[in-house]
Amino acid sequence: KQEVTQIPAALSVPEGENLVLNCSFTDSAIYNLQWFRQDPGKGLTSLLLIQSSQREQTSGRLNASLDKSSGRSTLYIAASQPGDSATYLCAVPYNTDKLIFGTGTRLQVFP
Amino acid sequence: GAGVSQSPSNKVTEKGKDVELRCDPISGHTALYWYRQSLGQGLEFLIYFQGNSAPDKSGLPSDRFSAERTGGSVSTLTIQRTQQEDSAVYLCASSPSRGNTGELFFGEGSRLTVL
Repeated sequence: KQEVTQIPAALSVPEGENLVLNCSFTDSAIYNLQWFRQDPGKGLTSLLLIQSSQREQTSGRLNASLDKSSGRSTLYIAASQPGDSATYLCAVPYNTDKLIFGTGTRLQVFP
Repeated sequence: GAGVSQSPSNKVTEKGKDVELRCDPISGHTALYWYRQSLGQGLEFLIYFQGNSAPDKSGLPSDRFSAERTGGSVSTLTIQRTQQEDSAVYLCASSPSRGNTGELFFGEGSRLTVL
């Protein structure tokens, strides 16, 4: 059974810091991993999708890496801003039809 | 449409009543998913549609829950005889890809409160 864990559960940092959010999964036989952002009371916004053949993906100040063999992914946020405050979720496919989500990292960036 | 649309955005109901939640996926997306997010909990998979068929209904919590999709587009999640533990945000997502090989796009969710 696939289990997804995210560390830390919560993070509070001053504006400008570079951050690393961690995601680990127990079954390394995945074909992609997706990072999402969720603002309070809102749905999920897809940030990055990494295919299993890729090592990393970049979008603006975000960089996600994937190490299948060790069952880990990291989301790197450069030069954090208060607008980055949200909950960040990683998810991996399970069977052929569903995503298994981590419980998320709640990030607060203060001015 | 431009994104996944869900309605109602908020629903307050009395215990024992039936509710219907609607999801309008992104046009052309063949895959549609329903997830549930309870307060302080992670996302719980409910059901997946590929076209109009639901290959996997294993996530539905009980036989009070049912879902259908018509015309390969709009989906309705129905909860009969609602209970207080059904209170949650119900999220719908769609994807252009078969199964879960592609990127998922989520709606804003329907917040259900059962009194």
